Amino acid sequence: GAVVSQHPSRVICKSGTSVKIECRSLDFQATTMFWYRQFPKQSLMLMATSNEGSKATYEQGVEKDKFLINHASLTLSTLTVTSAHPEDSSFYICSASVYAGGARNEQFFGPGTRLTVL
Amino acid sequence: DAKTTQPNSMESNEEEPVHLPCNHSTISGTDYIHWYRQLPSQGPEYVIHGLTSNVNNRMASLAIAEDRKSSTLILHRATLRDAAVYYCILRDVDTGRRALTFGSGTRLQVQP
Repeated sequence: GAVVSQHPSRVICKSGTSVKIECRSLDFQATTMFWYRQFPKQSLMLMATSNEGSKATYEQGVEKDKFLINHASLTLSTLTVTSAHPEDSSFYICSASVYAGGARNEQFFGPGTRLTVL
Repeated sequence: DAKTTQPNSMESNEEEPVHLPCNHSTISGTDYIHWYRQLPSQGPEYVIHGLTSNVNNRMASLAIAEDRKSSTLILHRATLRDAAVYYCILRDVDTGRRALTFGSGTRLQVQP
């Protein structure tokens, strides 16, 4: 099946610093990638939708200047958490969509990146 | 996307079958029923999906009620590795380019 990787898997940073998370589709081209955030014991919450070559679309309540998304190619999207604060500590998960039409509209998820801001 | 309702948690014993229910009384005619699961500290993974007929694959079976207002994910022999949160998600055929919307899911615990 299609594989999505994320790097790094874990990151610890100091408050006020910026952190970049990479999401790659390894064996397929994804025109659309999604970024989710998941707090402990909670479900995944969509942050933004990223289309290759265009600006990301952010969900309501997600600050676009704080969570910078770049989708430079069909296999790479990056999420940069700028000026991170402890409340940004979370599990960040990306997914890549393979649109095959009809019912076969799977999303393939990365393994997630656990961010801890001290 | 139409709403689904799942129990918060379920328990099973290893090597026994598990039936995970999902209610979706407001399902529309073009909604497909998708199941994903999320193992601890990992991203979700696709399990199975269907429209009207029951479906089988190597991971699980999906039983869909005749009126389509409910469905059941069946794990035929639970293993410890099946301990995860299982999400039942409805997807209209035309929303394939949109992100999946996750509810709270069912947390399955498997006892040895």
